Amino acid sequence: EAQVTQNPRYLITVTGKKLTVTCSQNMNHEYMSWYRQDPGLGLRQIYYSMNVEVTDKGDVPEGYKVSRKEKRNFPLILESPSPNQTSLYFCASSLWRGGARETQYFGPGTRLLVL
Amino acid sequence: DAKTTQPTSMDCAEGRAANLPCNHSTISGNEYVYWYRQIHSQGPQYIIHGLKNNETNEMASLIITEDRKSSTLILPHATLRDTAVYYCIVRAQGGKLIFGQGTELSVKP
Repeated sequence: EAQVTQNPRYLITVTGKKLTVTCSQNMNHEYMSWYRQDPGLGLRQIYYSMNVEVTDKGDVPEGYKVSRKEKRNFPLILESPSPNQTSLYFCASSLWRGGARETQYFGPGTRLLVL
Repeated sequence: DAKTTQPTSMDCAEGRAANLPCNHSTISGNEYVYWYRQIHSQGPQYIIHGLKNNETNEMASLIITEDRKSSTLILPHATLRDTAVYYCIVRAQGGKLIFGQGTELSVKP
């Protein structure tokens, strides 16, 4: 089944403790992206990648890192999480050959609480 | 990046057509209009997208005005499972999806 998976789905952590949220897709998509969703602010893009070893900042990249060593994986790294990073996170992927006309598919989400 | 404007909420009777409007008056020529929906806090689900022609698939129809400044998503026979937040999104060539606040659609029996 074609899908985007994220792990973990739920995470409670403490300020400053490094964590990684994994994202994997099995559709051979070039484009991958991370979003966060907060009440009243909607979904905002954190980082994106158009292919292996190519990443770029989205609208809210502060406090996050990403890597794209393999086409299928796009982990989100919080080196020193803070309470303002408590949020619902979504990973998404799409083909990129057609640019903006390619459909983006979302994972199920990761709910993060930073104490 | 072009922004979209949608009503905050709408109601629809089960079995009737749900027509969800969206304004995107600043859309540029190479930007696509996408519709997604989100049920509770699940991942957004793709519905349909278009550039300038009307589109139809198994889920919905998308009507885009000739000047491309607005569009309407039509769910032809709404069911209770269609209750969700519907997002009208303009996608730039850079790939980013710019989500607004969406329309909360309530389908009532």
